[in-house]
Amino acid sequence: AQSVSQHNHHVILSEAASLELGCNYSYGGTVNLFWYVQYPGQHLQLLLKYFSGDPLVKGIKGFEAEFIKSKFSFNLRKPSVQWSDTAEYFCAVNAGNNDMRFGAGTRLTVKP
Amino acid sequence: DTGVSQDPRHKITKRGQNVTFRCDPISEHNRLYWYRQTLGQGPEFLTYFQNEAQLEKSRLLSDRFSAERPKGSFSTLEIQRTEQGDSAMYLCASSFPGGNTIYFGEGSWLTVV
Repeated sequence: AQSVSQHNHHVILSEAASLELGCNYSYGGTVNLFWYVQYPGQHLQLLLKYFSGDPLVKGIKGFEAEFIKSKFSFNLRKPSVQWSDTAEYFCAVNAGNNDMRFGAGTRLTVKP
Repeated sequence: DTGVSQDPRHKITKRGQNVTFRCDPISEHNRLYWYRQTLGQGPEFLTYFQNEAQLEKSRLLSDRFSAERPKGSFSTLEIQRTEQGDSAMYLCASSFPGGNTIYFGEGSWLTVV
């Protein structure tokens, strides 16, 4: 069964710093990849997704992620974070079935 | 608001009691999912409906758990004889037919004391 690993449990950055959150998955077949964000007190929201095509996908709020098939990775990036990016970020994998697997999440704290 | 809605948002119950959560999906979505999320973990898949048919169930869904979607619209998740280990957030999500992107509700927090 597919699984998802997020390497960082808690990341603390200052405003304007660059962000990269790691995500690796284990599944040998075709996958759909997602990043969800959960702001404090709010529900999970889709940040971006990859199904096929250009491996560099752009999402909302200046986020992007790169799918590297050879590394089974789908890292999330943002060149300059803002205080409002403070949230929990979840990577998720769907292998074409209806069982979407989530990583344990990375809590991002951005200091103003 | 046309998003996924869940009720109640918070429930505190004594061990051994039964609880029921309701989910109203986005109206055009025929797929409905239940997930469970505990502190420090990502959401874990519990079960999935397409219209009124329950098509998949995770092994996490013990026999104390039952989910229904009788008319293919709203769904209920009932937990019988609650245990402290059931304390978690129960998330509902929905998606379009054939869609791979799912949209989550705000969740229902359960605390079993």
